[in-house]
Amino acid sequence: SYVLTQPPSVSVAPGETARITCGGDNIGTKGVHWYQQKPGQAPVLVIYSDHYRPSGIPERFSGSDSGNTATLTISRVEAGDEADYYCQVWDSRSDHDVFGPGTTVTVL
Amino acid sequence: EVQLVQSGAEVKKPGESLKISCKISGYNLMNYWIGWVRQMPGKGLEWMGLIYPNDFDTRYSLSFQGQVTISIDKSINTAYLQWNSLRSSDTAVYYCSRGGSSSPFDYWGQGTLVTVSS
Repeated sequence: SYVLTQPPSVSVAPGETARITCGGDNIGTKGVHWYQQKPGQAPVLVIYSDHYRPSGIPERFSGSDSGNTATLTISRVEAGDEADYYCQVWDSRSDHDVFGPGTTVTVL
Repeated sequence: EVQLVQSGAEVKKPGESLKISCKISGYNLMNYWIGWVRQMPGKGLEWMGLIYPNDFDTRYSLSFQGQVTISIDKSINTAYLQWNSLRSSDTAVYYCSRGGSSSPFDYWGQGTLVTVSS
């Protein structure tokens, strides 16, 4: 089955840039979606199909995908960005969706 | 407005059966997959499976195949996740979501906490 890897945690100071990676075999050929989840809340889609932002998501959130790594970038980080972030793809070989293990973003 | 509203928290004993629901509104049910996602306490998101309301096509993660049943009643726009015999390891929050199978999960239910304890 297809496996995604993410760093367990990323720490960033307010106003700086957070980069969260998502690794997978040839992930650059897949559409990658990213979700933000705050404690006690349902996940929220923040980036879909590599780099598109849903309505209502700030421009500070951006995504890229190439080779074996996809990246979610949060610019000008704010305290309210503190959350768990998950990447997700659809694996066409197994016809299954797959989530990454998640990355906790801590704002210092 | 797209909404997925899930049934309330459940407390069950091991071996009991359970069916939780996800009431869907605000869009044409036939055009999107509905997925179920598990989140065990303090853990990440796990994809359980999907159902396509148009033709009832259903897919399961290998981890959940045979352990749960995903279904839908199109007449009342409601999706279900069902267990025949719960285990303590089924204790988790379960989310329904619109999307999957190459589409993003763009709308989510609020989650249903299932607690299985003797």
